[in-house]
Amino acid sequence: EDQVTQSPEALRLQEGESSSLNCSYTVSGLRGLFWYRQDPGKGPEFLFTLYSAGEEKEKERLKATLTKKESFLHITAPKPEDSATYLCAVDNYGQNFVFGPGTRLSVLP
Amino acid sequence: GAGVSQTPSNKVTEKGKYVELRCDPISGHTALYWYRQSLGQGPEFLIYFQGTGAADDSGLPNDRFFAVRPEGSVSTLKIQRTERGDSAVYLCASSLTTGNNEQFFGPGTRLTVL
Repeated sequence: EDQVTQSPEALRLQEGESSSLNCSYTVSGLRGLFWYRQDPGKGPEFLFTLYSAGEEKEKERLKATLTKKESFLHITAPKPEDSATYLCAVDNYGQNFVFGPGTRLSVLP
Repeated sequence: GAGVSQTPSNKVTEKGKYVELRCDPISGHTALYWYRQSLGQGPEFLIYFQGTGAADDSGLPNDRFFAVRPEGSVSTLKIQRTERGDSAVYLCASSLTTGNNEQFFGPGTRLTVL
């Protein structure tokens, strides 16, 4: 069965303290890996799509990378407004996405 | 330039009642998805439409759940004989086509079954 896990479950950082979130996946085939940000009470907001191992994408303080078994979301010098739940999802050539449980990030001023 | 919209934003009902949740996708998006999200969990797939037809309904938990998209745009998720375990946030997403396309999500409907 295809599975997506994320670690840590929750992460507290001081403003400016860089870190990484992990998304590990076990799927029969990977067409794409997606990162989303979700704020409380809102739907997930698209951040990145990664298609192949070695690929990297950047947006402001975020950089996503992909290997054959996992993806990392690196957060450089985070600000309090980066606080959210970060979800990853895989497109396994099926008709839908398989989501991980998310990492709740809190950035303290 | 509207995104995906969902109504109502909140729905409180009693056990055993029938509810309908509505999703308006982004104009021109042919694929529409329903997910259910429980507290502290990622979205869980329920059903996917390509146009008017349900291409994959393997995520529907049982026959109390049903969804339609009669004109290939707006979709309605219908839940019969609601149970307390149905309480969750129901998310709708749309994408331009199927396959390797990002899905754009609505704000969700929070369903509470008392």
